[in-house]
Amino acid sequence: DAGITQSPRHKVTETGTPVTLRCHQTENHRYMYWYRQDPGHGLRLIHYSYGVKDTDKGEVSDGYSVSRSKTEDFLLTLESATSSQTSVYFCAIQRSGITGELFFGEGSRLTVL
Amino acid sequence: GENVEQHPSTLSVQEGDSAVIKCTYSDSASNYFPWYKQELGKRPQLIIDIRSNVGEKKDQRIAVTLNKTAKHFSLHITETQPEDSAVYFCAASIAGNQFYFGTGTSLTVIP
Repeated sequence: DAGITQSPRHKVTETGTPVTLRCHQTENHRYMYWYRQDPGHGLRLIHYSYGVKDTDKGEVSDGYSVSRSKTEDFLLTLESATSSQTSVYFCAIQRSGITGELFFGEGSRLTVL
Repeated sequence: GENVEQHPSTLSVQEGDSAVIKCTYSDSASNYFPWYKQELGKRPQLIIDIRSNVGEKKDQRIAVTLNKTAKHFSLHITETQPEDSAVYFCAASIAGNQFYFGTGTSLTVIP
């Protein structure tokens, strides 16, 4: 589907290296989110953004930072990747304003060796 | 923060039977409850949602009910078909952001 893309879709890295995942939207929505998905845990919120340079922490934010310098891009950075951060990461945009649905990207699978 | 519990974690039904997935939430301020379906290797996709001022909502074979007093909501799928096989997630949202998800239910529809 058009509207939101994530890159890279797959990445293998080593413990201690920095990693940045990119989420790009073409729909000009204000709210964007980063989730991680792990078996038995469902989807857990890492960080979210409610505008350019406006971000806040979610329930599992330790070890992650985010930046949003443009409406269309929301970056998730792992400063020093650990094996516990091996996961599938989903970005989402919130359509129709604050009461709208979440629309997810296709996900980025990260493996930290 | 909000805590959403979802049961069962796995569910198998015969084609044509009904399936029910239940979720509970902890924060009475939650006012929006979406349900997402995720097929293997794909992104979660919204299938139905309900807001706190409504008790029930239906869309063809799918329905969602909400009991605000008991803080639980349920997904009902009738006349199940093999293509309904997927993982289903419930979620609760406070003030329209910070969605909290359940841990998922893997539904298998046996032909």
